[in-house]
Amino acid sequence: AQSVTQLGSHVSVSEGALVLLRCNYSSSVPPYLFWYVQYPNQGLQLLLKYTSAATLVKGINGFEAEFKKSETSFHLTKPSAHMSDAAEYFCAVSETGANNLFFGTGTRLTVIP
Amino acid sequence: GAVVSQHPSWVICKSGTSVKIECRSLDFQATTMFWYRQFPKQSLMLMATSNEGSKATYEQGVEKDKFLINHASLTLSTLTVTSAHPEDSSFYICSAAEDPGQPQHFGDGTRLSIL
Repeated sequence: AQSVTQLGSHVSVSEGALVLLRCNYSSSVPPYLFWYVQYPNQGLQLLLKYTSAATLVKGINGFEAEFKKSETSFHLTKPSAHMSDAAEYFCAVSETGANNLFFGTGTRLTVIP
Repeated sequence: GAVVSQHPSWVICKSGTSVKIECRSLDFQATTMFWYRQFPKQSLMLMATSNEGSKATYEQGVEKDKFLINHASLTLSTLTVTSAHPEDSSFYICSAAEDPGQPQHFGDGTRLSIL
């Protein structure tokens, strides 16, 4: 069975500070992992995905995530937060590719000016 | 590229009516489309997966007679909430993928409010 745990439903950072959003997964097979961002009243936009290639994945808008098998983690980071990064972020796992996505409960990122 | 359009973005209707939500892939052909439901401040819950030309596969606990899904073409899937009631009020999001296993591209969602 696959599942995703996002620690911290709400994270606040100052503008220019490091962003760290945590995601731990559970999967019975090598997983496919995704980070999505959702702005208010909108759908989800893919930030980045891990598909068993490089463990450090670079995405859009300056975000990146590192796959750590030993820790079953796929934390999302960005060196310097921007006001426009304020949104809801979802981590998702799939055992079969991009189908059958299981989403975490989300982390709301607030950026303080 | 890979734009998914969902319509309407917001709908308010009376209890007992049926509501149809459209999901279109604008610049690609989607063999697979997904329908999600999202409650306030919660994650997305997959309702059903539809493949073009075949019946949708519903997740456990989702009433197929309540939520009718049609995927008649490679660019269009529709979700019809039949005889909607206030408890059906939610944010419904569709996504589409060119092929199984390819990344899903999401629409902007439809906020459904049943009075």
